[in-house]
Amino acid sequence: DTGVSQDPRHKITKRGQNVTFRCDPISEHNRLYWYRQTLGQGPEFLTYFQNEAQLEKSRLLSDRFSAERPKGSFSTLEIQRTEQGDSAMYLCASSFAYGYTFGSGTRLTVV
Amino acid sequence: AQRVTQPEKLLSVFKGAPVELKCNYSYSGSPELFWYVQYSRQRLQLLLRHISRESIKGFTADLNKGETSFHLKKPFAQEEDSAMYYCALTLLSGAGSYQLTFGKGTKLSVIP
Repeated sequence: DTGVSQDPRHKITKRGQNVTFRCDPISEHNRLYWYRQTLGQGPEFLTYFQNEAQLEKSRLLSDRFSAERPKGSFSTLEIQRTEQGDSAMYLCASSFAYGYTFGSGTRLTVV
Repeated sequence: AQRVTQPEKLLSVFKGAPVELKCNYSYSGSPELFWYVQYSRQRLQLLLRHISRESIKGFTADLNKGETSFHLKKPFAQEEDSAMYYCALTLLSGAGSYQLTFGKGTKLSVIP
């Protein structure tokens, strides 16, 4: 197991397009998190899955954002009708409890 | 709501000098506090947590509940300590998540 994998590493998209990111967590971890990090800020919580159930969503997660974790394994984060303000690093992490393991992130640039 | 404050965006020290990265938090309960580090071109990784009271790479951090602080310290800075450091707190939510609240980070630069 090589840790938490995220794909793609970089994504450049035009405003208004839809994008989807994938996260493969550590296989034994039942908790999966998505965070967003913008320039000069620390990561901010977006959403949380325990196994396949999405149990928490931040107010940052507008209705243009949707996340899934089918079968409690990998997760996807989709952003519809992207806006320039969506440009950020999107981080995935998995854990049993406190001990998060972060992925390398997907850097999204909306032009 | 909980908040983590790291007052310094950038801290520059000479190699061999002591380092202190400041972190203050606001939360009415008893949160768990962490320091995360991100080296250049690497992913965010856990450096240490207050509940384990351990020293990692020579760094220590003491939770001061009276001052609501969790400062990160190292007596002698090394060049390889240059990185971005984030203080974070977590609390167990009703939904069972250990959601992290991060500070904005401090960039530590160790001058040879």
